[in-house]
Amino acid sequence: NAGVMQNPRHLVRRRGQEARLRCSPMKGHSHVYWYRQLPEEGLKFMVYLQKENIIDESGMPKERFSAEFPKEGPSILRIQQVVRGDSAAYFCASSLGGQGIGEAFFGQGTRLTVV
Amino acid sequence: RKEVEQDPGPFNVPEGATVAFNCTYSNSASQSFFWYRQDCRKEPKLLMSVYSSGNEDGRFTAQLNRASQYISLLIRDSKLSDSATYLCAVTLDDKIIFGKGTRLHILP
Repeated sequence: NAGVMQNPRHLVRRRGQEARLRCSPMKGHSHVYWYRQLPEEGLKFMVYLQKENIIDESGMPKERFSAEFPKEGPSILRIQQVVRGDSAAYFCASSLGGQGIGEAFFGQGTRLTVV
Repeated sequence: RKEVEQDPGPFNVPEGATVAFNCTYSNSASQSFFWYRQDCRKEPKLLMSVYSSGNEDGRFTAQLNRASQYISLLIRDSKLSDSATYLCAVTLDDKIIFGKGTRLHILP
């Protein structure tokens, strides 16, 4: 049973380009969370999704950022027109959700560098 | 008040000492509680769940105090390899909420 898979592991983008980060949850998990982490800082919640639904996007910047978790395929975090301040590690986590929500399992993260 | 709060540290502790962290949560309806460990430039990994009666795993002991709305992590006989950031997490309404973590440095 593969764990949470994120790709790419490292992504370099020039200012103004788009960044697409992918997250495949653990098998059987229907809940996905995205977090951003700046160097030497804690995890910052961005968005919480279930299949085809955004449940909580209170941590998402109002512009340029969007997330989806389609019925088929991975969850995608999309950053349009990237700026230097978007450089960070982006972690995805998945959980079972529901009554037996249990713990969350993290992917290895995508390190985005904007040049 | 933030949903989950932790002292960011860093805690600088000599090897062999005992160290304890607390984590407070704001919503009394929170359902489940966890401690995670994050090494530098790595993803967080589950360290242990926290049960109402308290639980122990080797040198690590976790406690839950529902009345005061905090969880604690105690590390005995600390090792250099315990140096990491420790994050607490709580679940509420189908959602997992993390604290920002406490940094621990074990000094030789």
